[in-house]
Amino acid sequence: QKEVEQNSGPLSVPEGAIASLNCTYSDRGSQSFFWYRQYSGKSPELIMFIYSNGDKEDGRFTAQLNKASQYVSLLIRDSQPSDSATYLCAVSGTNAGKSTFGDGTTLTVKP
Amino acid sequence: ETGVTQSPTHLIKTRGQQVTLRCSSQSGHNTVSWYQQALGQGPQFIFQYYREEENGRGNFPPRFSGLQFPNYSSELNVNALELDDSALYLCASTGTGTSRGTDTQYFGPGTRLTVL
Repeated sequence: QKEVEQNSGPLSVPEGAIASLNCTYSDRGSQSFFWYRQYSGKSPELIMFIYSNGDKEDGRFTAQLNKASQYVSLLIRDSQPSDSATYLCAVSGTNAGKSTFGDGTTLTVKP
Repeated sequence: ETGVTQSPTHLIKTRGQQVTLRCSSQSGHNTVSWYQQALGQGPQFIFQYYREEENGRGNFPPRFSGLQFPNYSSELNVNALELDDSALYLCASTGTGTSRGTDTQYFGPGTRLTVL
C-alpha cells in the first residue's frame, strides 16, 4: 500500500463546476499537507498548504484536512479549462523538503 | 517563477554512463531537496542537503549522490546509469513559509533525463 493515495482519475468536469480531489495518507505523524498543480511537461507548483484540521480557503481553492481520518481534499470551485492539470497531494512532517507524494489525479475541465 | 533554476533542461545518456545535474536554490533558502519523477508517478524523495551536509535520504542506492556548495547550489550525481533512471529530476529549495516555522518547498523546472 502506498503511503499517499489519491483517487485514480482521470477526473473530468464541465467548466464552472466544482472539482473534488481526494487524498489519504498512512503516517499518523504527518504534520504538513500540500497540494501541487503540475501541467504536462512542467514541474509541480505549490497551490495550497494546510496544517490544521478543518478548511482553508484561497480564492477558488479550498483544502480540507481531517487528521483523524487521515484524509485531505482539494475543492476547486468555478473550474476553468486552465485548471486542467495533474494535482499532486504531498505529506510531510515539519520539513516540507522531505515530502511523500501521491501519484496525482489528472483533471480535465471541458469548456 | 520560483527562483529555483536547474541545468541542463534535457539530457540523453547511455546505460552505464555517469551524469551530473545542477540546481541553484531560491535566494535565502539554504536547503535543497532532490526528487525523481518517473512518467505517470509522483515525485520520489532522493535526498536533502542542508548547509552542505546530507540531511536525509530516500530509498535510492548509493550510486545516487549529491553535493551542496557554500552558496547553497547543489549537484545530483548518478553513476552507472540504468534504463529505469529515465525520469524528470526535480530540485526544490525550502524556506520557512509560515509563522509556525514550518517549511514550504518550491520546485525548479526540472531536468529530463533519458537513458538509452
